[in-house]
Amino acid sequence: KNQVEQSPQSLIILEGKNCTLQCNYTVSPFSNLRWYKQDTGRGPVSLTIMTFSENTKSNGRYTATLDADTKQSSLHITASQLSDSASYICVVRPTPDKLIFGTGTRLQVFP
Amino acid sequence: DADVTQTPRNRITKTGKRIMLECSQTKGHDRMYWYRQDPGLGLRLIYYSFDVKDINKGEISDGYSVSRQAQAKFSLSLESAIPNQTALYFCATSDSGFASGQPQHFGDGTRLSIL
Repeated sequence: KNQVEQSPQSLIILEGKNCTLQCNYTVSPFSNLRWYKQDTGRGPVSLTIMTFSENTKSNGRYTATLDADTKQSSLHITASQLSDSASYICVVRPTPDKLIFGTGTRLQVFP
Repeated sequence: DADVTQTPRNRITKTGKRIMLECSQTKGHDRMYWYRQDPGLGLRLIYYSFDVKDINKGEISDGYSVSRQAQAKFSLSLESAIPNQTALYFCATSDSGFASGQPQHFGDGTRLSIL
């Protein structure tokens, strides 16, 4: 069964600290993987996309990694800010006509 | 102004009522989608449309219908609402649909409560 699992479900960190969010998928075949950020009361917004041949991609303080062999991706946030408080959703595209959404990790950053 | 606008933002209604959620976009995208989001579950696709004359069922279309009135407008209807349709509903658009690396652009959601 195609699934996308994210961990942890929730995370609390202090402002300025780093954190890493995990995404494991049992999806086959694989086309790409995308990370979205969803602020409270807002729709998801794309952060970055990873294709099969990419291992690491950065977008400012966000760095995504992909290990297609182990079917794992991570999103690393450096020097967290209060505005990073949000849910982060991992989405895997197995085929052109399908997207599989993870349940998300809720991150809270406190001053 | 938002690129993808959903109305209403919040709605409380009773079981058995007919409900329509509306979505309009200014991005010029051909593809539009409706999702629902429930606590503890990932976003699930209800319906999608690749152009004005194209309507496709998603994984959870039962109890829902859609209408693509124009390229920029895609509405979702609940003909006879039931409590387990209480959820957060999102409309999304994309430039070239599933078959590319383009992201989906989401509205800010409609929170629907059915009593």
